[in-house]
Amino acid sequence: SAVISQKPSRDICQRGTSLTIQCQVDSQVTMMFWYRQQPGQSLTLIATANQGSEATYESGFVIDKFPISRPNLTFSTLTVSNMSPEDSSIYLCSVHREDNEAFFGQGTRLTVV
Amino acid sequence: AQSVAQPEDQVNVAEGNPLTVKCTYSVSGNPYLFWYVQYPNRGLQFLLKYITGDNLVKGSYGFEAEFNKSQTSFHLKKPSALVSDSALYFCGVTGANNLFFGTGTRLTVIP
Repeated sequence: SAVISQKPSRDICQRGTSLTIQCQVDSQVTMMFWYRQQPGQSLTLIATANQGSEATYESGFVIDKFPISRPNLTFSTLTVSNMSPEDSSIYLCSVHREDNEAFFGQGTRLTVV
Repeated sequence: AQSVAQPEDQVNVAEGNPLTVKCTYSVSGNPYLFWYVQYPNRGLQFLLKYITGDNLVKGSYGFEAEFNKSQTSFHLKKPSALVSDSALYFCGVTGANNLFFGTGTRLTVIP
């Protein structure tokens, strides 16, 4: 298993500002994943973060809005930029084992006002 | 393309009764299937998975799921529901290096 620490656990932010979410894993992993869970909806993959290369974004998500850093094999950050109320969601960091069993952080509950 | 469908947004069951949360999948090739649970104000927790082998998979908290290839289903079951099982349940299927999740089913166990 993997232990994932994610912070902040929640935040309330003003529109137009940016928030950086941190994800720390207790073991080295090649790929880290960032998901969004909008209120009442399922999880949607935002991007895959590989160490040493640019993140790969899913359709509908762009680097300017959700810049990601992956400085080493145990850490990643996701920034939600120029926030609007539509960005209010839970953001989840995840790592996968070889068989794709996923481990998730506790999530960051973001409210944009 | 890989996808999963959870046809029920909400399932209500009386405590002590058996429960079923439905999931159907669409994959190319052999599926890796998962169930996750999300309790209020908490992250997702892994319940069980099917990779290969026996069609009946046993997981955490007394849950099990049956892989049915002909019906492309992977329904989650428990013989006797507990009030503490009330949560949001997600079915997942693997894609290339990621997981696709269903829309979730909210299970409410009524005392």
